[in-house]
Amino acid sequence: AQSVSQHNHHVILSEAASLELGCNYSYGGTVNLFWYVQYPGQHLQLLLKYFSGDPLVKGIKGFEAEFIKSKFSFNLRKPSVQWSDTAEYFCAVNSYNTDKLIFGTGTRLQVFP
Amino acid sequence: NAGVTQTPKFQVLKTGQSMTLQCAQDMNHNSMYWYRQDPGMGLRLIYYSASEGTTDKGEVPNGYNVSRLNKREFSLRLESAAPSQTSVYFCASSEGTTGTQYFGPGTRLLVL
Repeated sequence: AQSVSQHNHHVILSEAASLELGCNYSYGGTVNLFWYVQYPGQHLQLLLKYFSGDPLVKGIKGFEAEFIKSKFSFNLRKPSVQWSDTAEYFCAVNSYNTDKLIFGTGTRLQVFP
Repeated sequence: NAGVTQTPKFQVLKTGQSMTLQCAQDMNHNSMYWYRQDPGMGLRLIYYSASEGTTDKGEVPNGYNVSRLNKREFSLRLESAAPSQTSVYFCASSEGTTGTQYFGPGTRLLVL
């Protein structure tokens, strides 16, 4: 069965620090990959997605993610975080021929001024 | 364009009571989903509907039933609520093969 692992459960950073959140998935076929963000008290919003093409994907609010097929990874990065980035971040994957998403357990990011 | 809407926003039930969570989308999506979100466990799929008239079980379907009333609406029913069903429930819809899902605001359910 497909699974998604997010190894960082809770990350605490100061503003302007760089961010990298890990995501690994366990499916050998063609996949679509997603990062969703959930700000406190809000619903999930799409941050970025990868379907095909350039493995470096840019999303909203300065976030980017790199798909490394050989490592089954799709890590999220941001060069300089802001207090407003405090949220929970979810990695998700679906196989090419289905629209069911498998979510990771999430990473809680806290950014202090 | 409201996207995905859910009612109610918050509900308190006693063990054994029943209730239906409502979800509607106005994006003409074929696929709709119900998830529950619990601390440290991410989102887990309860049921999904790939198209009007079809429903399938997800990862955690026990204790729930669903109805895809029409293309817009997908309801989740708890026939006999249990404290283990205390959670935040999210409905989502998707464009289909692209897999991008759009989420509603959630329903926070407390079962005493």
